Amino acid sequence: DTEVTQTPKHLVMGMTNKKSLKCEQHMGHRAMYWYKQKAKKPPELMFVYSYEKLSINESVPSRFSPECPNSSLLNLHLHALQPEDSALYLCASSQDGGGLAENIQYFGAGTRLSVL
Amino acid sequence: DQQVKQNSPSLSVQEGRISILNCDYTNSMFDYFLWYKKYPAEGPTFLISISSIKDKNEDGRFTVFLNKSAKHLSLHIVPSQPGDSAVYFCAASAGGTSYGKLTFGQGTILTVHP
Repeated sequence: DTEVTQTPKHLVMGMTNKKSLKCEQHMGHRAMYWYKQKAKKPPELMFVYSYEKLSINESVPSRFSPECPNSSLLNLHLHALQPEDSALYLCASSQDGGGLAENIQYFGAGTRLSVL
Repeated sequence: DQQVKQNSPSLSVQEGRISILNCDYTNSMFDYFLWYKKYPAEGPTFLISISSIKDKNEDGRFTVFLNKSAKHLSLHIVPSQPGDSAVYFCAASAGGTSYGKLTFGQGTILTVHP
C-alpha cells in the first residue's frame, strides 16, 4: 500500500478565512512533506517533517503553518492567504534516511486551493 | 537557477514505439534521480529511480539511463502505450543530510497515439 490520502480535494476560501489541509499515510514513513504546485510548473517543496519534527522550511510565509500531530498525520493550517496562493497543495511521505529508498517520495492526489 | 532541466515540453509517439524523455542537471552533488508520472487532478506517481553509482536501472517497460559525466539522464518506455500519456517529471536529490529535498524538472508532456 503506497497511499497518501489528502483532504479536502478542493477548497475555496476568502482572504480572511482560516482553513486546514490534512494528509494521512499508513506506510510507516517517518518523513512527510508539503509541496505547492502551480499550473504547468513542477512541485515546489514547502516543508519537511522528520520524526514529527520540522526539519526544513523553504522560507515559506507565516500564513502557512504546518503541524505534524503524529507520525501518520500532517496538517497545513492556512490563514490570511492571498489570491496568488491558489495552487495544488501536495503532501508526500517517505522512509527516513539518506539512501535511495528513502529518497522515494509517495504523493497524495493533492488539494486544489482557490483563494478569492 | 534551474538545477534540473527538461528541455522538451512535449513529446508525441505512436503506440508500440519507444518514448525517450530527457533530463539534464547542473548540481554535481545530486546522488539520486527519480522519474514521476502525473495525470491531471492526481499527485505525481513514482515510476523508477537510480543512484549515481549506477548507469542503468530497468523495471518492466521503463529503463532509466544515467550519464554522470554529461549530467544527463533519460527515461525509455518500450513499448509505449496510450495509458502512458501523462506529464513526466524527473527529480534529483543530493541525499545524505539533504535527503527530502527533491528538485524537479519542468516536466514533459508525453502523448502516445493509438
